[in-house]
This record gives sequence, structure tokens and C-alpha cells, in this order.
Amino acid sequence: EAGVAQSPRYKIIEKRQSVAFWCNPISGHATLYWYQQILGQGPKLLIQFQNNGVVDDSQLPKDRFSAERLKGVDSTLKIQPAKLEDSAVYLCASSFSGGSEAFFGQGTRLTVV
Amino acid sequence: SQQGEEDPQALSIQEGENATMNCSYKTSINNLQWYRQNSGRGLVHLILIRSNEREKHSGRLRVTLDTSKKSSSLLITASRAADTASYFCATDIIQGAQKLVFGQGTRLTINP
Repeated sequence: EAGVAQSPRYKIIEKRQSVAFWCNPISGHATLYWYQQILGQGPKLLIQFQNNGVVDDSQLPKDRFSAERLKGVDSTLKIQPAKLEDSAVYLCASSFSGGSEAFFGQGTRLTVV
Repeated sequence: SQQGEEDPQALSIQEGENATMNCSYKTSINNLQWYRQNSGRGLVHLILIRSNEREKHSGRLRVTLDTSKKSSSLLITASRAADTASYFCATDIIQGAQKLVFGQGTRLTINP
């Protein structure tokens, strides 16, 4: 069974530039999560989708972050413009349903300089 | 804000000893999960315990849940060097819809 795919694995950008991350969840998983993990901290939920609808985006900085899940499958997370404090690992995860076992991708390590 | 709080933040033990990590949470949940994260890698699911369960085992892992105290513990028996990792509890918060929220984690180091 294929796992959660994320790309790119690493990205270095200058502040005020834009960046996009892509996630392909496990086939058949209705729930998709994006987390931000700063070094030494736990994953922080940015946005959770159920199919192509948003379940929660209360901690998504909507002035600079946006996410979409077209057709309830793949998802993209965008940051525009990036700030230094956005440097983190961005993790995508999927699960069969909300609250069930989540499967994580390897993450995208973003460095903003 | 984070839902779960793990304790201790860091734990260092000798190989072969048992390791116990605790998690406290704030709101009602359907279930609680534990995940492991090796350095620089994604999280891996270890075990899920439902709110109507008190204890669950999986290999060398033992998880307990006390919903009256809003707390859980993860016990790893006969630790191995490969168990060195960060361990996180995650709760599904029921506020309109279930969302999966993680704590800050416990960094476990197993010394040979």
C-alpha cells in the first residue's frame, strides 16, 4: 500500500517569497491534515479536510497561508509571503475518517532566510 | 493551542529498563493515540485507545487511559536503542467535528 506522498522534501526561500507544498494522501482516505512542526515542538494542526471540505482551519494564518483539496484527493498548502518564523517542517497526514489512525508523509522542511 | 501535555519533556534511561511517559488533556475525547517520531522523519502511529477502554497492549507497549483524570500513560517495556525517539500523544477533540491535536512530546533516549 502506497503511503502519503509529499513534495518537495526540502525548500529554501527568501522571506517575502511564496512557496507551495503538495500532498497525495492514501487512496480512500477522506480526512487530510496539514501540520506545522517547529524544531523541538509537537505538530500544530493548520488545517483539516474531510473530503474537499474544511473541518478546521482555526490555527491557519489566513493572511498568508492557504490550502485547498481539489476533488477530495490531492492537496496543496501555500505560503505567500513567507516570514522567517515560517521555517518548520510541514507534515501532511491522512486517515480513513476524523479521529482514526493517521498516516504521515515524510514532510517538507522549509527554511526561510 | 495544544490539547495534550506530555510529561516528562525528556527521559533518558538504560537499555533494558522500562520507560513511562504521561499525557494530560483538557477536553472530552473519543480516543487517544500515541505516535513515535524518529529524528528527521514523519510520525508513526503506535496505538489507539478508545474513551471506553482503560488499558491496551501492543507488543512491548502498554497504554492506559483515565478519562476521569483526563490522562494517559505509555509504558515501553525492556527498552532498546531503537526506541530512541520523540513520543507524542494525540487526541481527537470533539468541537463540532473531530480534529486530531498533538501534544509537545517526550524525547526518549535509550543509552546502551
